Amino acid sequence: NAGVTQTPKFRILKIGQSMTLQCTQDMNHNYMYWYRQDPGMGLKLIYYSVGAGITDKGEVPNGYNVSRSTTEDFPLRLELAAPSQTSVYFCASNQGPPGNTIYFGEGSWLTVV
Amino acid sequence: DQQVKQNSPSLSVQEGRISILNCDYTNSMFDYFLWYKKYPAEGPTFLISISSIKDKNEDGRFTVFLNKSAKHLSLHIVPSQPGDSAVYFCAASDGGSNYKLTFGKGTLLTVNP
Repeated sequence: NAGVTQTPKFRILKIGQSMTLQCTQDMNHNYMYWYRQDPGMGLKLIYYSVGAGITDKGEVPNGYNVSRSTTEDFPLRLELAAPSQTSVYFCASNQGPPGNTIYFGEGSWLTVV
Repeated sequence: DQQVKQNSPSLSVQEGRISILNCDYTNSMFDYFLWYKKYPAEGPTFLISISSIKDKNEDGRFTVFLNKSAKHLSLHIVPSQPGDSAVYFCAASDGGSNYKLTFGKGTLLTVNP
């Protein structure tokens, strides 16, 4: 069972560079999410998607972009990386009915220097 | 303003004893609550959940209690085992928000042999 797969696991970026965090799920889930976790903090929602072609902002969307061209994939794009984007990023998915369990990927550690 | 609060950053318990992790929330629209467990360098994994129509849900050694009038929930682990040592996140959602989760900051549980 692959579940939710994120790549890369670790990445160091220089200030101003851009990159894409990849996320794919094989559970045919409609809902997908990107969260970030800063040290000592809970997870904060960046963007989410309720289905292919539909995305919306979460709590902390500034500096990020997403797309959802297929059910399986939900890439997160960082444009003009800043030190404040140093964090651990988690992609997640669920089927959508109220209370349905959300499944997380293993995380992507990003450092911006 | 934090809508989900875990006021204890850490908790240390002896093996075999009960662990009680607490969580408070402020948003009265939350109708579903979840506990996630997270080991270092891994994504959060779902542990147990409870709907607002219930006041208790049990799954093996794990029981979650919900007190809606106090906007408080707790996770009981009995008996605690060393393998339970992890960060525990409380999360909440409301069905009208596309099932997005709002997380607390987490409590680090250490179970000593």
